[in-house]
Amino acid sequence: QVQLVESGGGVVQPGGSLRLSCAASGFTFSSYGMHWVRQAPGKGLEWVAFIRYDGSNKYYADSVKGRFTISRDNSKNTLYLQMNSLRAEDTAVYYCAKERGTYCGGDCSSDYWGQGTLVTVSS
Amino acid sequence: DIQMTQSPSSLSASVGDRVTITCRASQGISNSLAWYQQKPGKAPKLLLYAASRLESGVPSRFSGSGSGTDYTLTISSLQPEDFATYYCQQYYSTPPMYTFGQGTKLEIK
Repeated sequence: QVQLVESGGGVVQPGGSLRLSCAASGFTFSSYGMHWVRQAPGKGLEWVAFIRYDGSNKYYADSVKGRFTISRDNSKNTLYLQMNSLRAEDTAVYYCAKERGTYCGGDCSSDYWGQGTLVTVSS
Repeated sequence: DIQMTQSPSSLSASVGDRVTITCRASQGISNSLAWYQQKPGKAPKLLLYAASRLESGVPSRFSGSGSGTDYTLTISSLQPEDFATYYCQQYYSTPPMYTFGQGTKLEIK
């Protein structure tokens, strides 16, 4: 069965960095685009970033552009989110999510989500 | 950017009620719309995609409709396990960007 397991969250000071990972299993990882979506405490869902199945294109929300980098290693079935220059407003649960169809390029819904990893930015 | 406006933001209903949640896009999105259910402390769960297609395993009491800019999620007969927060999401934008509605919290009356 499909599994997405995030890791790497924790407490970090403002201005600091953190790298999140999402280990995928149960499907052909290299055939699907992947997203990061976050949810601040008590708030709604916010899309963060998307990477195409082969890593050829990457897209970001304006709120994280220039600070966050999405990447993937298809040989390790793993998705990453490198977060730099962290701010208090980046505090959230971060979810990785899989596109519903193969090679969608972002024009698909997400059918599987990880359980999330909490990032807290605080001094 | 495409904005999604979801209404109502909260809703109280009873078991057995028929409930409708609305999502309006700031421009046409050609049925590129999904609905998710989220329970406290859990990841979102896909209910419907392409505005009206039921995801595998989702009960048939959930249905979706709409076109252009206006879409609805209907639960025909509320069950106790349906009390949760619901989000719409568009995936029409180019370049790819997910935009979610602000959510509708469905509570027990």
